[in-house]
Amino acid sequence: KAGVTQTPRYLIKTRGQQVTLSCSPISGHRSVSWYQQTPGQGLQFLFEYFSETQRNKGNFPGRFSGRQFSNSRSEMNVSTLELGDSALYLCASSLALGFDYGYTFGSGTRLTVV
Amino acid sequence: AQKVTQAQTEISVVEKEDVTLDCVYETRDTTYYLFWYKQPPSGELVFLIRRNSFDEQNEISGRYSWNFQKSTSSFNFTITASQVVDSAVYFCALSRALNTGNQFYFGTGTSLTVIP
Repeated sequence: KAGVTQTPRYLIKTRGQQVTLSCSPISGHRSVSWYQQTPGQGLQFLFEYFSETQRNKGNFPGRFSGRQFSNSRSEMNVSTLELGDSALYLCASSLALGFDYGYTFGSGTRLTVV
Repeated sequence: AQKVTQAQTEISVVEKEDVTLDCVYETRDTTYYLFWYKQPPSGELVFLIRRNSFDEQNEISGRYSWNFQKSTSSFNFTITASQVVDSAVYFCALSRALNTGNQFYFGTGTSLTVIP
């Protein structure tokens, strides 16, 4: 079966712009989480959505937002991009909340802000 | 607060050598989960193992083995007879046992290079 699909794979944006990243979970999975990976800060949790509701949120500014659609696909938006937002953004999907269901990660979207 | 420390930033070994990746964690929770993930150059995180805080039994899966010791707050990962395909970044992670969802706390990763 298809894995977690993240689009686009690569993205270059200019400082001050906004960007939207997409994550399509494994079919049947209802939970989608987002993580930011940078060389300096490592992997950091952004937020998790389940049944179109944000269930958990990490310590990121309000410029980072997300949403989940009824088909469980999720989008993450970053407004007013800063150079420090350059990172690999990973999403992970799960059948439901809780680790008994396991989490499968996508290959990520590499965002470069210039 | 939760914290995971992977003190080894980079490790290089020659093929067929054994290698141990260290992971030390901090948490005040009595119930928690520990994980190891592998990140190949393609970027995705590949799940290797999950342990809950009540299961200290060590586990072996092929060439991989894990040593969980609550007394030292460590969850170390050993690859026996390493292969070039094992070259990747390995992450140890901790999560609280939340009913409302997940929040992984990742270590900074250990980059393993296996030299043929």
